Amino acid sequence: GQNIDQPTEMTATEGAIVQINCTYQTSGFNGLFWYQQHAGEAPTFLSYNVLDGLEEKGRFSSFLSRSKGYSYLLLKELQMKDSASYLCAVRDSNYQLIWGAGTKLIIKP
Amino acid sequence: NAGVTQTPKFRVLKTGQSMTLLCAQDMNHEYMYWYRQDPGMGLRLIHYSVGEGTTAKGEVPDGYNVSRLKKQNFLLGLESAAPSQTSVYFCASRIAGDTGELFFGEGSRLTVL
Repeated sequence: GQNIDQPTEMTATEGAIVQINCTYQTSGFNGLFWYQQHAGEAPTFLSYNVLDGLEEKGRFSSFLSRSKGYSYLLLKELQMKDSASYLCAVRDSNYQLIWGAGTKLIIKP
Repeated sequence: NAGVTQTPKFRVLKTGQSMTLLCAQDMNHEYMYWYRQDPGMGLRLIHYSVGEGTTAKGEVPDGYNVSRLKKQNFLLGLESAAPSQTSVYFCASRIAGDTGELFFGEGSRLTVL
C-alpha cells in the first residue's frame, strides 16, 4: 500500500529552527509537496521537490532524497504565525496526490 | 480575484437527507478536486475532474456524486447523507501541466446527525 509518515505534533520556540520529516512509500514518484494549513483554514502551497536536493524559499527550505523516500521541511527564525499544520504529499505514478496526516507545529514564546 | 469559493461553509444534515456543495473557481483551471479531511488522517480524494464535462472517482467515492457542467464549477452531491460523511470538505483546482500546485477553497464543514 501507499503510505506517508510524518510526526503528529512538534513543539518549537520562537526564533529557533525546526525540521519536520516526511517518509513515503508510494507506487511511483512524480514530486513531493509541502502545504501549510492554519487551524480552520485551507491548505496553502509551500514547496515542491521533484529532484534530490534542497529547495530554499525565504525562511522555509525543503529537502528531498528519492532513494531514501525521505523529505524534510526546515523552518528558520520561527514566528508565532508559523503555528500551523504542515502537510506532506507525494504525487504517485498516476499523478494522484497521496497525503500525510500532517504535523501540528506549536510555537512557544 | 476570488480564487476558489465553496458554498455553503457550514451545514447540518439529518441522516438520509441530500445536499449539494458548490465549488467555483475564477482562475480558468482545468483540473478540479473534492477532498475530505478527517482528524488524524490525510486529505482523501473523493472525485476529480480534468476538464469540463469529465469526472472520475478518487479514493473514497462511495456515497458521493459530482458534476462539472461548466469549467468554473464543480458540484459535489450527497444523495443520502450518513453520519460517516461528517467531515470538512475541500475543493481544489490547478492548471493542467504545471508543477501541480493546488489552490484550495476555504472548506465546508458538514455534520450529519
